[in-house]
Amino acid sequence: DGGITQSPKYLFRKEGQNVTLSCEQNLNHDAMYWYRQDPGQGLRLIYYSQIVNDFQKGDIAEGYSVSREKKESFPLTVTSAQKNPTAFYLCASNQGGGLAKNIQYFGAGTRLSVL
Amino acid sequence: GNSVTQMEGPVTLSEEAFLTINCTYTATGYPSLFWYVQYPGEGLQLLLKATKADDKGSNKGFEATYRKETTSFHLEKGSVQVSDSAVYFCAPGSARQLTFGSGTQLTVLP
Repeated sequence: DGGITQSPKYLFRKEGQNVTLSCEQNLNHDAMYWYRQDPGQGLRLIYYSQIVNDFQKGDIAEGYSVSREKKESFPLTVTSAQKNPTAFYLCASNQGGGLAKNIQYFGAGTRLSVL
Repeated sequence: GNSVTQMEGPVTLSEEAFLTINCTYTATGYPSLFWYVQYPGEGLQLLLKATKADDKGSNKGFEATYRKETTSFHLEKGSVQVSDSAVYFCAPGSARQLTFGSGTQLTVLP
């Protein structure tokens, strides 16, 4: 089945620690996205990538980093600089190429908590 | 950039009641419009979309019409079911990204 796989489902971070959230897609999509969702709130864009080896900051990129070395993978690192990392993190992808193709497909999410 | 204002929740309805969730947006250019649904503990799923003025998106009994003159994309369903309980997000889309509303929590009681 084609889709987006996020792992782990639950993650705990100790103070001062960097943690990496995995996102893999087998949809052959060009564009990938990371969102943060806080309780009772909408989604805020952290980073996005339109193509391999290229990515742009979203609205709340501070304290996060990404890489896009392969088309199917877009890992997100939550660094120790992110002082309030507890949230639900969602990865998404789309085919790219303009309005008609910008339906985004989402993974099941990773819930990150601070110990 | 785009922005969206969505009806605040939570919304609680009895089974078979009529549902409306309001959504208005501001956008540069001519966005596509989407409704996504999020079931507890899961990611978002596309519910329906519309790509031009007066288009009506529909799926699973839900409908929304792209109203350019009022910049709105209200979600409606004539008879909700318990299984419709979820969070609903309105999202105008540009070529590069979607802008999500804050979400409306819907609970349907049997």
